[in-house]
Amino acid sequence: QVHLVESGRGVVQPGRSLRLSCAASGFNFTNHGLHWVRQAPGKGLEWLAVISYEGIIEDYADSVKGRFTISRDDSKSTVYLQINSVRPDDTAVYYCAAAGQYYFNYWGQGTLVTVSS
Amino acid sequence: DIVMTQSPDSLAVSLGETATINCKSSQSLLYGSNNKNYLAWYQHKPGQSPRLLMYWASTRESGVPERFTGSGSGTDFSLTISSLQAEDVAVYYCQQYYTSYTFGQGTKLQIK
Repeated sequence: QVHLVESGRGVVQPGRSLRLSCAASGFNFTNHGLHWVRQAPGKGLEWLAVISYEGIIEDYADSVKGRFTISRDDSKSTVYLQINSVRPDDTAVYYCAAAGQYYFNYWGQGTLVTVSS
Repeated sequence: DIVMTQSPDSLAVSLGETATINCKSSQSLLYGSNNKNYLAWYQHKPGQSPRLLMYWASTRESGVPERFTGSGSGTDFSLTISSLQAEDVAVYYCQQYYTSYTFGQGTKLQIK
């Protein structure tokens, strides 16, 4: 059975850094592209970042480019999202997702990040 | 960047009836070399993770009921849900993966 489990600090002060983790199991992690998607309160889904299999290619939404960094550790079947200089509008549920081709086959349950002083 | 626009933003349909959600992209999602539309549909229920319903615009993901149908090509796409059931209440998103990735704003489906 496929599992993607996100984790990361729940409440963070503006301007601080934060790293989210997503541990995967139940599928061939190494041949999947990995994504991060977020949903701000009352808003829709926003794609944030992707890292290809073997970590060859990274791509980011313009809205987070330069501030977010995605990475993966295939030995741990884990994908990460580093968020620097967090802002109040980063408050959201953050989902990781895995894509065998382009579309997102598997999703985590999400982790809530609240940016507040 | 490709912009995805869904319509309507919300709709209410009676049980057993048909719901249709539309999705329009700002540029064609049809890749000429393989004749595939780079579009997916997802279902997102409150408190749950999003679920892949359709990919390549009209290919149903394993386990998705046959009453879900995806159609369209180029810039105009639809998701049709026939014989609506209470469990179909959710927000539905289209997503392009032709160039990077973009979601539509979502369509909230409720029971009338």
